[in-house]
Amino acid sequence: RKEVEQDPGPFNVPEGATVAFNCTYSNSASQSFFWYRQDCRKEPKLLMSVYSSGNEDGRFTAQLNRASQYISLLIRDSKLSDSATYLCVVNTGAGSYQLTFGKGTKLSVIP
Amino acid sequence: DADVTQTPRNRITKTGKRIMLECSQTKGHDRMYWYRQDPGLGLQLIYYSFDVKDINKGEISDGYSVSRQAQAKFSLSLESAIPNQTALYFCATSDKTGTDTQYFGPGTRLTVL
Repeated sequence: RKEVEQDPGPFNVPEGATVAFNCTYSNSASQSFFWYRQDCRKEPKLLMSVYSSGNEDGRFTAQLNRASQYISLLIRDSKLSDSATYLCVVNTGAGSYQLTFGKGTKLSVIP
Repeated sequence: DADVTQTPRNRITKTGKRIMLECSQTKGHDRMYWYRQDPGLGLQLIYYSFDVKDINKGEISDGYSVSRQAQAKFSLSLESAIPNQTALYFCATSDKTGTDTQYFGPGTRLTVL
């Protein structure tokens, strides 16, 4: 089983739609969880950290389920500018700060 | 100015050549990383360094070497480039305190012919 697995996508959604991405991780000792955004041929940038209690940043909501080893990202009211690849990222080290990246899910928001 | 810079941004070279990719940061972070990204694959860790005297191999270090010349500089070398090292290479940094968020440079697109 791969360490971090994501929906492969692509997701093609109209503007204003709500879209959800899922991610599972294999190492139950994982401590930190993130969603990064990567635009085509650009560097990954932190979108948000994911906390056990769930967290929200504007139109974006992240959830963590440690029992199921599952992370989600919900985007409400999609904008054209949300088109990008979303990377699920997990710290699978024991304080070593090594991150494991999922392959990413590509989102295209259509006018 | 960007906090994490990489040079060159693009490079085309031939099989067998030695190549050095450079990374500099002004974030004051102690930890630096080199990744490669291939189409359809996740980022793979090549090497990482927690300070100038602490360098560690990542999951795909074969064929690569690194040098941490200073806290702000971390270079990646391909001793004898081969075509399957054609990829997008990213440098990243993180702070040893607080969260383990990593900040990435703009990347170097390397093509080995």
